[in-house]
Amino acid sequence: KNEVEQSPQNLTAQEGEFITINCSYSVGISALHWLQQHPGGGIVSLFMLSSGKKKHGRLIATINIQEKHSSLHITASHPRDSAVYICAATGNQFYFGTGTSLTVIP
Amino acid sequence: SQTIHQWPATLVQPVGSPLSLECTVEGTSNPNLYWYRQAAGRGLQLLFYSVGIGQISSEVPQNLSASRPQDRQFILSSKKLLLSDSGFYLCAWSRSGTSEAGELFFGEGSRLTVL
Repeated sequence: KNEVEQSPQNLTAQEGEFITINCSYSVGISALHWLQQHPGGGIVSLFMLSSGKKKHGRLIATINIQEKHSSLHITASHPRDSAVYICAATGNQFYFGTGTSLTVIP
Repeated sequence: SQTIHQWPATLVQPVGSPLSLECTVEGTSNPNLYWYRQAAGRGLQLLFYSVGIGQISSEVPQNLSASRPQDRQFILSSKKLLLSDSGFYLCAWSRSGTSEAGELFFGEGSRLTVL
């Protein structure tokens, strides 16, 4: 069993839809990261959070430490949001989920 | 500002040939450096990490090695590539002293195909 589990693995949405990607982890962590991997392969960091909620534009990340669960929400989704979203937990090392492949259809 | 560069972006090599992937970080000093491999449909696998010049820790026994000849340079190498070495390799860095809670910054990645 992986230390970090993401769901769903694949997600297709219509432009404008509200999207939620879930992440559960089983290790003790000091921070939870959400990463975005573009089709070309490059990875950028979207959020690093250890409690509560963070918001950047249309993206919102939440974490529940007690339940060891985090969610990434995208409001008013757009085709340019199409990418792989990776959850990563920082404990004594970085633990990565396998990613959620999101396709937003115009 | 800090930047990370990784090259080459794409590489096609025959089995048994050597490999050298390079990664450099600019705009920071004494970073923690990492090499990850991403296989299709799988999560990122940590291969090597380094907390300083000449200090390399290996996470997975394999056909690869890493070196850190300078503070902001990290090199992934192999003397003889195997088919199973094919994959997408990512270099990353984080700030030293805060690695357990620090943000991770990735290079553009190198796609290696071994034929």
